Amino acid sequence: AQSVTQLDSHVSVSEGTPVLLRCNYSSSYSPSLFWYVQHPNKGLQLLLKYTSAATLVKGINGFEAEFKKSETSFHLTKPSAHMSDAAEYFCVVTSNDYKLSFGAGTTVTVRA
Amino acid sequence: GAVVSQHPSRVICKSGTSVKIECRSLDFQATTMFWYRQFPKKSLMLMATSNEGSKATYEQGVEKDKFLINHASLTLSTLTVTSAHPEDSSFYICSARDPASGRETQYFGPGTRLLVL
Repeated sequence: AQSVTQLDSHVSVSEGTPVLLRCNYSSSYSPSLFWYVQHPNKGLQLLLKYTSAATLVKGINGFEAEFKKSETSFHLTKPSAHMSDAAEYFCVVTSNDYKLSFGAGTTVTVRA
Repeated sequence: GAVVSQHPSRVICKSGTSVKIECRSLDFQATTMFWYRQFPKKSLMLMATSNEGSKATYEQGVEKDKFLINHASLTLSTLTVTSAHPEDSSFYICSARDPASGRETQYFGPGTRLLVL
């Protein structure tokens, strides 16, 4: 069984400042981990994924995440937030059955 | 990246009627598709796994006779909400696994918002 905990339900940042979204996971197997973004009334877009290769993963739109097995974490960061980054972000884990387990989501708001 | 479409994007129906939602993979073949339900300001809940050429696998608590899933081809899966009631109103999202992108990666459709009056 696997699960994901997103530690912040809401993150508010000023435009141009760093963004940090925290995610902890649990998994019985070697996990694959993802971050997805969802803009209002839209589907989900894959930001990045970790699948047992490099622990520092770079994604689209300047986002990156670091897989830390010892801390069972997969936090998402971006050095400089943009207004268009305002959205819902989901940390997701999967194992060997292809099913995705979603975190509860983190709402990001960006202040001008 | 791989593209998944859903149709319709929004549907309003009367209580007791059935509604069909289509999920298509546009530029790849998907042997496996997934159907999710999302309540307002909530996360996604996996409803079922749709396998081409075989019966869908439903998650615990999801009514098979209520939510009929058909995966008739490698690019199309359909979800039919039968005898819909207001509590079925929700945002339904499908995803498809693209084997060429790695077995773990799923691409999501834009979602279908269902409102049952």
